[in-house]
Amino acid sequence: AQSVTQPDIHITVSEGASLELRCNYSYGATPYLFWYVQSPGQGLQLLLKYFSGDTLVQGIKGFEAEFKRSQSSFNLRKPSVHWSDAAEYFCAVGPPGGKLQFGAGTQVVVTP
Amino acid sequence: GAVVSQHPSRVICKSGTSVKIECRSLDFQATTMFWYRQFPKQSLMLMATSNEGSKATYEQGVEKDKFLINHASLTLSTLTVTSAHPEDSSFYICSASPGDSYNEQFFGPGTRLTVL
Repeated sequence: AQSVTQPDIHITVSEGASLELRCNYSYGATPYLFWYVQSPGQGLQLLLKYFSGDTLVQGIKGFEAEFKRSQSSFNLRKPSVHWSDAAEYFCAVGPPGGKLQFGAGTQVVVTP
Repeated sequence: GAVVSQHPSRVICKSGTSVKIECRSLDFQATTMFWYRQFPKQSLMLMATSNEGSKATYEQGVEKDKFLINHASLTLSTLTVTSAHPEDSSFYICSASPGDSYNEQFFGPGTRLTVL
């Protein structure tokens, strides 16, 4: 069975500092991996996705993620956060043609 | 491109009434639409998957008679919460997939349902 773990429920980061959100998955083959962001009371916006190829994926809003098969991880990073990055972040995994499984989410708070 | 809308954005209803939520793909044809439920500070839980012109596939534990899903066209799916009760209060989010990339889902803005 597929599963997604986001170990950090809540992260506080200073504006301008770097950010890394962890995501670990469990799946028998190479999964499709996604990172979404959700602002309060809003739907989800896709930040980036990994299907195959280069394991370092660039996304929107300056985010990137790296797929590490040996560690079953797909961590999201941003070199310098902005106050507007405060939101809930969800990692998701799905097999080709299958349904998405979401992690529990990580709440990011950005302090001045 | 790839915009999904939901209507209404917020709805308050009395216990025992039914509520219909619409999900529309505005600039693409969605062969598959998904309905999720999200409780406060929790993740999204898939309720059902609907394909245009066929019956929805419900996840385990979701009452199909309570949450009626219709996907009558390639741009519209509806979720009807029948005989709503306070425990049905939640944030309902739909997503749509154009079918050429099944795993890429585009999400609507969500509907906040409050049952009094």
